[in-house]
Amino acid sequence: DIQMTQSPSSLSASVGDTVTITCRASQNIFSYLNWYQQKPGTAPRLLIYGASHLQSGVPSRFSGSRSGTDFTLTITSLQPDDFATYYCHQNHIAPWAFGQGTRVDIK
Amino acid sequence: QVQLVQSGAEVKRPGASVNVSCKASGDSFIFYALHWVRQAPGQRFEWMGRVNAGNGDTMYSQKFQDRVTITRDTSTSTVYMELSRLESEDSAVYYCARSGINPIWGQGTLVTVSS
Repeated sequence: DIQMTQSPSSLSASVGDTVTITCRASQNIFSYLNWYQQKPGTAPRLLIYGASHLQSGVPSRFSGSRSGTDFTLTITSLQPDDFATYYCHQNHIAPWAFGQGTRVDIK
Repeated sequence: QVQLVQSGAEVKRPGASVNVSCKASGDSFIFYALHWVRQAPGQRFEWMGRVNAGNGDTMYSQKFQDRVTITRDTSTSTVYMELSRLESEDSAVYYCARSGINPIWGQGTLVTVSS
């Protein structure tokens, strides 16, 4: 089964900062990598699909990239609404696998 | 716009079973797989299994293989997940999600297992 290793597990940042979260797959998943934002008590919100495609309605300050089996979510000019937990998710093959999450909170 | 609407919250006793439904809108139901994922409090997402909506083929996580059954009804575009022999550790939010390049998720169903 594919394993997803996400880092860091948490970070503190200020409004206006640029934040980077990474995820490494244990084997080639091509670009079948999604990023989600989740706030307490709510379902995950898809931000990025296919490693680098911005989901409709998501602000352009969110971006994703891929280098081999390493994936990056970047949030530029962090906004108050962006403080949440972020997860990566591989949907190349079942069983699906998820990163352990990155909590972004206010410094 | 495809949507997945799940059934409501459940409270169950240990040892009981729970059945959660997920109804898809739109006319593309049979072209996708529907997955079930759960999230216990403070935990990462955990994949449980999936059903191919077209032919009914299923695949389950080894962790849940002897306790979970996923079925689908193409006449109502609905997928069902039954988890048996519930334990307190099964208390979680259960999500259905449609496969595809940009996955679509249901709103989640809270299952609480308590004596």
